[in-house]
This record gives sequence, C-alpha cells and structure tokens, in this order.
Amino acid sequence: DTGVSQDPRHKITKRGQNVTFRCDPISEHNRLYWYRQTLGQGPEFLTYFQNEAQLEKSRLLSDRFSAERPKGSFSTLEIQRTEQGDSAMYLCASSLSRVSGEKLFFGSGTQLSVL
Amino acid sequence: DAKTTQPTSMDCAEGRAANLPCNHSTISGNEYVYWYRQIHSQGPQYIIHGLKNNETNEMASLIITEDRKSSTLILPHATLRDTAVYYCIVEGGSEKLVFGKGTKLTVNP
Repeated sequence: DTGVSQDPRHKITKRGQNVTFRCDPISEHNRLYWYRQTLGQGPEFLTYFQNEAQLEKSRLLSDRFSAERPKGSFSTLEIQRTEQGDSAMYLCASSLSRVSGEKLFFGSGTQLSVL
Repeated sequence: DAKTTQPTSMDCAEGRAANLPCNHSTISGNEYVYWYRQIHSQGPQYIIHGLKNNETNEMASLIITEDRKSSTLILPHATLRDTAVYYCIVEGGSEKLVFGKGTKLTVNP
C-alpha cells in the first residue's frame, strides 16, 4: 500500500496558462475525490468519481476545470486559462467504496501558484 | 456547508490529554462523526469515526454524547507531532466529506 500519490507537488505557472495535475489512488480504490484548499480554510469538495464515472461536480468547478479518470485508475485535473484565484492546494483522496463509515485517504496535494 | 462547530484554536501541554470538542446539534440518525487532522503542508489524515458508541483506536478516543449533539476527540498523551488542524465532520449518505475550518491544536513543550 503506497498511499495516494499526487504529481507534481508544486506547480508555478503564469496567468493564462493551462496546468494538469495527476492523482494515483490506492490500488483497488473505486472512489476518487478532488478537493481544493486555500490558506486558512478547510478543504473544499470539487468532484468525485466512482470508477471512471464522474458522479458529482461542485459549483466551484467552473468551465475552466475538467477532471478525468479514463480507466478507473489514475485521475487528472486540468485547469485552463489559469487565474490568480486558482492558486491553492489541490488534494486528491480515494476510498474503497463510499458507504457511510468508509474513510478517505488523502494525498499530499499539489500546491499551485499562479503568477 | 459544514454541520459542525469547533473552537478556532486550542493549546495543550506535551504529555497531557488533548480534548477537542465539536458541536453537531443538527446531526441526523444515520450520520457519522468523523475526525481528520492536517499537519502543515500535508493532506488530511483520518483519525477515527463513530455513529453512536464511543470509539477508541491506536490514535485517539471518540466520545459521543447520548443525544449525539456533540462529541469530543481525546488524544490521551499529546506529543509535539500532534500539532495540527483537527476537523470534525458529520456525514451520512452525501457521498462526500464537507470540511469546516477545524481547530488548530498547538502542543507546547
């Protein structure tokens, strides 16, 4: 069990550029979540997948954001035309299922800075 | 929106028990109480969860009041490495965890 892996750990980009983050969940975990966290706040839910199906998207996920999990394993989160307000920690989490009482395992996150 | 209320910050002496309170007065019968913590620059880490009964594991104990409207996370012998933000979350059937701002616990030597 290698845990949830996120890449890169840090990303600095210029406003208007596109960025893509990758998340590798724990093997055999069906559920995969993306959260965003800004300084001093708790993580905010963005979206989640059950295998390859994206089942819910938060209103925080604007049209510039897209997430995929093509084969039900790793996931990518892309932000197009980045804005300074996109600067945040992007966290990925996975779980075996999502019946009540199931715990989430989080990665260490990708820290995005938009200049 | 988060369904819990937690103090913004707390201090604890190293080696003493840390008791972190959480109010969840609107909790419904099928909702669990979860505790996670987040050490600086890391992702949240699961600590413990419970439905009605008190729970204990190698990390902590969770005490839930009989009416389930509040709970307390107990770290029996706090160490400096327990300094973190602790999140109390109530969830049941919503498919996701909703985090509040949590309690910043500082363990002092």
